[in-house]
Amino acid sequence: AQKVTQAQTEISVVEKEDVTLDCVYETRDTTYYLFWYKQPPSGELVFLIRRNSFDEQNEISGRYSWNFQKSTSSFNFTITASQVVDSAVYFCALKLGNTPLVFGKGTRLSVIA
Amino acid sequence: KAGVTQTPRYLIKTRGQQVTLSCSPISGHRSVSWYQQTPGQGLQFLFEYFSETQRNKGNFPGRFSGRQFSNSRSEMNVSTLELGDSALYLCASSFDRGDSYEQYFGPGTRLTVT
Repeated sequence: AQKVTQAQTEISVVEKEDVTLDCVYETRDTTYYLFWYKQPPSGELVFLIRRNSFDEQNEISGRYSWNFQKSTSSFNFTITASQVVDSAVYFCALKLGNTPLVFGKGTRLSVIA
Repeated sequence: KAGVTQTPRYLIKTRGQQVTLSCSPISGHRSVSWYQQTPGQGLQFLFEYFSETQRNKGNFPGRFSGRQFSNSRSEMNVSTLELGDSALYLCASSFDRGDSYEQYFGPGTRLTVT
């Protein structure tokens, strides 16, 4: 069975600090997909990134970057120079084949001005 | 392109009543999934519909049901409401049911059962 663990329940940082959100996944399949979603206070989950298991290249999008390491089954998310608008709950998720997304419990990030 | 829409956004019901929630997917998307989000259990999968057929179902009692129409719009129904059904119900749509799709979520319906 697959599982996603986000060990950090809550993180609080001061604006402009860098912050890394951890995600560890478990699966025996060799083909799978990993996702990150952001849930602002409005409630809607916003898609951030998808990564398949055959692509271990790190990705950078503006202030966001993702580090995928199969050796440690991790898919960590870093926000550089955090801003107040980054305050949200962030979810990591795993998908195998035609099965539903399996989400972690989420990490609540608070960025203080 | 309009996003996923859900109606109503907020709902207050009494124990024992039933409720129907609606979801309109992004135009062209044929797959619709439903999730329940609670502080204690997090995001839990309810069911997925593709081309009017239920393809996946989560571990929820039979009081939870859904359907999808020919225009891909979906509804979910909860009968005999219990206090524990209070949650944010999120609908997500995707273009196809392939294993690599991204799901795009709606704003959710917040259901409160009193």
